Amino acid sequence: SQQGEEDPQALSIQEGENATMNCSYKTSINNLQWYRQNSGRGLVHLILIRSNEREKHSGRLRVTLDTSKKSSSSLITASRAADTASYFCATDGEGWDKLTFGKGTLLTVNP
Amino acid sequence: GAVVSQHPSRVICKSGTSVKIECRSLDFQATTMFWYRQFPKQSLMLMATSNEGSKATYEQGVEKDKFLINHASLTLSTLTVTSAHPEDSSFYICSARDITGGPNEKLFFGSGTQLSVL
Repeated sequence: SQQGEEDPQALSIQEGENATMNCSYKTSINNLQWYRQNSGRGLVHLILIRSNEREKHSGRLRVTLDTSKKSSSSLITASRAADTASYFCATDGEGWDKLTFGKGTLLTVNP
Repeated sequence: GAVVSQHPSRVICKSGTSVKIECRSLDFQATTMFWYRQFPKQSLMLMATSNEGSKATYEQGVEKDKFLINHASLTLSTLTVTSAHPEDSSFYICSARDITGGPNEKLFFGSGTQLSVL
C-alpha cells in the first residue's frame, strides 16, 4: 500500500524563492525521513524527524511533522538551481527496518 | 559519511540473459540491505530485504526466482535478474543501514543501476 504521498507532484520556482513540499502518510510511524534524488542517481538522505519532534532544521531545509494529521512539510528557503531534484518522504510505518517511499515531488528551480 | 557502492551503473543486455548487480558498503557493516526498483518518474518500490547469512525476504508480487539475492558478507549483497526481459528494464537501487544503527538511523543508498533489456 502507498504509505507516503507527496504533493505537489511537480513544483517549478525561481531561484531565491522558497519551495514547500508536503507529505502525508497513513499509519503510525517512529520517524519520517526526507531524501533527495538527482535524475538517474541514488538517493541522498536530507533529514530525519522523530515522531516526538515537531520541527527540525538542516541548513536551508526546515521540516515539520504533525502526527495528528499524519503529515509532514519540507521547506527549502532561498532556493538555488542546484536544488533541482526529486524529493521523497519515507516512513517506517511498516516496520522500523523497512522504509516506504512516497511518489516524490519533482522540484525545478529556474535560474 | 558512509558510502554504498553499486555496480554497474548502467547495463544493457539481451533478452534471456542474466544480469548481476552488486551493492557494497564501503566503510561500514550492514547485516541488512534493501533492494528497490524505480520506474521513470515513479517512487521507489521495495523489492526485497537482503539478510546476511540467510534468505532474503521478498515483497508481495516480487518473484524470488526471478530476482535472486545473495548477501554473503556484511558488506556485499548482490541482485541477479535472471532471464531478463524488456519489462525488467528499470532503475534498481540498493540501500544499507549501518549495523550499529537502530530504528532511527538513516539509510545509505547506492547510486543505482539502470538496466535496459533489449
